[in-house]
Amino acid sequence: DTGVSQDPRHKITKRGQNVTFRCDPISEHNRLYWYRQTLGQGPEFLTYFQNEAQLEKSRLLSDRFSAERPKGSFSTLEIQRTEQGDSAMYLCASSLDYEQYFGPGTRLTVT
Amino acid sequence: AQTVTQSQPEMSVQEAETVTLSCTYDTSESDYYLFWYKQPPSRQMILVIRQEAYKQQNATENRFSVNFQKAAKSFSLKISDSQLGDAAMYFCAFQGGSEKLVFGKGTKLTVNP
Repeated sequence: DTGVSQDPRHKITKRGQNVTFRCDPISEHNRLYWYRQTLGQGPEFLTYFQNEAQLEKSRLLSDRFSAERPKGSFSTLEIQRTEQGDSAMYLCASSLDYEQYFGPGTRLTVT
Repeated sequence: AQTVTQSQPEMSVQEAETVTLSCTYDTSESDYYLFWYKQPPSRQMILVIRQEAYKQQNATENRFSVNFQKAAKSFSLKISDSQLGDAAMYFCAFQGGSEKLVFGKGTKLTVNP
């Protein structure tokens, strides 16, 4: 069991560019979550998948954000037309029941 | 909507001593889970301990234990025999009928040698 992995670990982009992050959950986990964490704050929920179905989305997930989980395995989170306010750590977690296990995160810096 | 409050932005403890981190939450649900997560500097979030609301017995994991007071909606974490490796941000989190975790703002724990 290799744990939850995320790629890339760091991303620097210019305002207005699109970025995509990938999350690979623990292999037998059917639930996958995305959170965003800004400096000095706890993580905030963005969206949640059970298998390939996206079951819940936060109001934080504006129309510039889209997430997918094709075939119920890995997931991608895309941010279009990035803004400086998008700078944050994007965390992915997976679970089989109610315990969520987190990946190392992708730190996004928008310049 | 559920809220989680951690009233101590920072705490410090001497190595080998005991420290208690506070957490309160607000919910109208009766069945839920509570968690403490640890986030070391520049490292990933690690689950420390969990508590099911229907269980009256407080959870314990080695040096970590909780004091769960359901009526008071309080869920504190006690770390005994503190070690240098315990230094981290600690987040209290709530999970109700929705699958999502609701986190507090965290408590930064410093362990002094």
